[in-house]
Amino acid sequence: GQQLNQSPQSMFIQEGEDVSMNCTSSSIFNTWLWYKQEPGEGPVLLIALYKAGELTSNGRLTAQFGITRKDSFLNISASIPSDVGIYFCAGRESGNTPLVFGKGTRLSVIA
Amino acid sequence: EAGVAQSPRYKIIEKRQSVAFWCNPISGHATLYWYQQILGQGPKLLIQFQNNGVVDDSQLPKDRFSAERLKGVDSTLKIQPAKLEDSAVYLCASGSHQSTNEKLFFGSGTQLSVL
Repeated sequence: GQQLNQSPQSMFIQEGEDVSMNCTSSSIFNTWLWYKQEPGEGPVLLIALYKAGELTSNGRLTAQFGITRKDSFLNISASIPSDVGIYFCAGRESGNTPLVFGKGTRLSVIA
Repeated sequence: EAGVAQSPRYKIIEKRQSVAFWCNPISGHATLYWYQQILGQGPKLLIQFQNNGVVDDSQLPKDRFSAERLKGVDSTLKIQPAKLEDSAVYLCASGSHQSTNEKLFFGSGTQLSVL
């Protein structure tokens, strides 16, 4: 099936630093979603993107739908300890295809 | 608004035993999904329902896995018999409609350990 390449696999940052992570696919996607998962819980939707070039913010989080439609980026500004978790990108080629997930970026924030 | 409900939260069984998971989606959501998440991986789709019909079960190991959503609301996923490699978190998600713009909302999952 379709694979998404998500990087980096893990990050250790100091509280207050900004964070960037990205996701790429081998085919064109019409939808990009970013989720956060904490231990023992299901993924929680952070941001949804539907148009190439779209830039959407949710508090300190900003995500972009790449112009090529084959990639997406998530930025977290001024990180805080509660940002710790695993961030997943997910994408869909069309309305009739399933949502596929990347392998996640594990974020650790050092206070 | 209540979220996606799943039970049980944890299950430990021996290989070759059977197990069933239950999911109640967000009220009014037509689509329901079962995902398998192996430790260190992203969720992988097992089966997708639209109301009470199966839309996509191409990645469901049908020799041992089965799922149903008889009345188009809650759903059950069964494994019979379980193998060691079935140890994973089983996540249920629901969405309001099947389309490019659909957002998926997940339950907390059932963590299965097969010994």
